Amino acid sequence: EPEVTQTPSHQVTQMGQEVILRCVPISNHLYFYWYRQILGQKVEFLVSFYNNEISEKSEIFDDQFSVERPDGSNFTLKIRSTKLEDSAMYFCASRLQGGLNTGELFFGEGSRLTVL
Amino acid sequence: SQKIEQNSEALNIQEGKTATLTCNYTNYSPAYLQWYRQDPGRGPVFLLLIRENEKEKRKERLKVTFDTTLKQSLFHITASQPADSATYLCALDVGYDMRFGAGTRLTVKP
Repeated sequence: EPEVTQTPSHQVTQMGQEVILRCVPISNHLYFYWYRQILGQKVEFLVSFYNNEISEKSEIFDDQFSVERPDGSNFTLKIRSTKLEDSAMYFCASRLQGGLNTGELFFGEGSRLTVL
Repeated sequence: SQKIEQNSEALNIQEGKTATLTCNYTNYSPAYLQWYRQDPGRGPVFLLLIRENEKEKRKERLKVTFDTTLKQSLFHITASQPADSATYLCALDVGYDMRFGAGTRLTVKP
């Protein structure tokens, strides 16, 4: 069964360092997402991406964050200068369609980021 | 402000009973609503989708209702089993995105 894969599964970094989290969405999906979940808290929307551009972003997704789809398969989330409060599980998700004909979101297993 | 509230943080029930989880929302007008299951340390997994013009949807032991007047969805698991123990998330569409409630942690005791 096709799945969303994420790397790394766990990354430990020093405050102020840049981090890139990688995702390979399901191959025929068109909509891509990043969510984050701080330990014990809710799954929070960060950004959605469609047709090679950001379609929506939350207030969490400030100038320190960026996303890119550098080739036909990868979808990356970059945090330029990490802060302690960026420590969380980051989930990538994809789906085939959006809008009124939407279907389910397929999530990866997450990348746990620990900022020291 | 927009809110998605899942009324119980945690719900404990006995095996074989029906679990009922609630999702209420304010200042949203979703065309559909989804329910996901999340196990500890794992990504959410889709369970069911219900559209605004559907009152009820069933899948095996799962049942979802959607009342756009009350702005509420109910999620039922009948004949619950210990393997159903997990956190259940409701999610609303916001255009092309989904926003999640905080989840209800369900524990089914043998």
